Amino acid sequence: ETGVTQTPRHLVMGMTNKKSLKCEQHLGHNAMYWYKQSAKKPLELMFVYSLEERVENNSVPSRFSPECPNSSHLFLHLHTLQPEDSALYLCASSPDDVNTGELFFGEGSRLTVL
Amino acid sequence: KQEVTQIPAALSVPEGENLVLNCSFTDSAIYNLQWFRQDPGKGLTSLLLIQSSQREQTSGRLNASLDKSSGRSTLYIAASQPGDSATYLCAVTTDSWGKLQFGAGTQVVVTP
Repeated sequence: ETGVTQTPRHLVMGMTNKKSLKCEQHLGHNAMYWYKQSAKKPLELMFVYSLEERVENNSVPSRFSPECPNSSHLFLHLHTLQPEDSALYLCASSPDDVNTGELFFGEGSRLTVL
Repeated sequence: KQEVTQIPAALSVPEGENLVLNCSFTDSAIYNLQWFRQDPGKGLTSLLLIQSSQREQTSGRLNASLDKSSGRSTLYIAASQPGDSATYLCAVTTDSWGKLQFGAGTQVVVTP
């Protein structure tokens, strides 16, 4: 138990579906992140939120839409995805001081796009 | 652009041997370096965090060193056990928002 919970753990969707991934952290952290892990590739940062403000959008296609309603919750809304978007999506959080704090990851949501 | 490389990509050792995992990065302007462990199909577990001003960190059988000027870090795992089998990732923090640049990982198998 890392204090970062992701749901669902597995998701299969068609290219025309709309779904959402949810992340909740119970660590009192102020920064939250979405990372993408594709097969045979290093983890890629998608979005960073600090105090519910988006501070980084790493050139992610608009079919991925993040939402951070408060410092404990982070969503990733998915629509009209492509098969190449199939990957493990990891949420992470870190303390106030992002210069020195560790990142704590959830277990990930395994997404398959048919 | 920061690039992080981990060598070797895979490693198999008999139980009891010490493990040495290498990580190199191209830009020494980092805030910190983290080592993570990832089991198949699972998320990442943070093992050690080394601040840019530090030379090493230790936790139990794990020791990580950092030589920022040469862009290198080494993770040592003493007296390896089958339960140490996993993929080990290193990552450097490259900006004040905690953006991590990851290496591709070293897949470790410890045989009984």
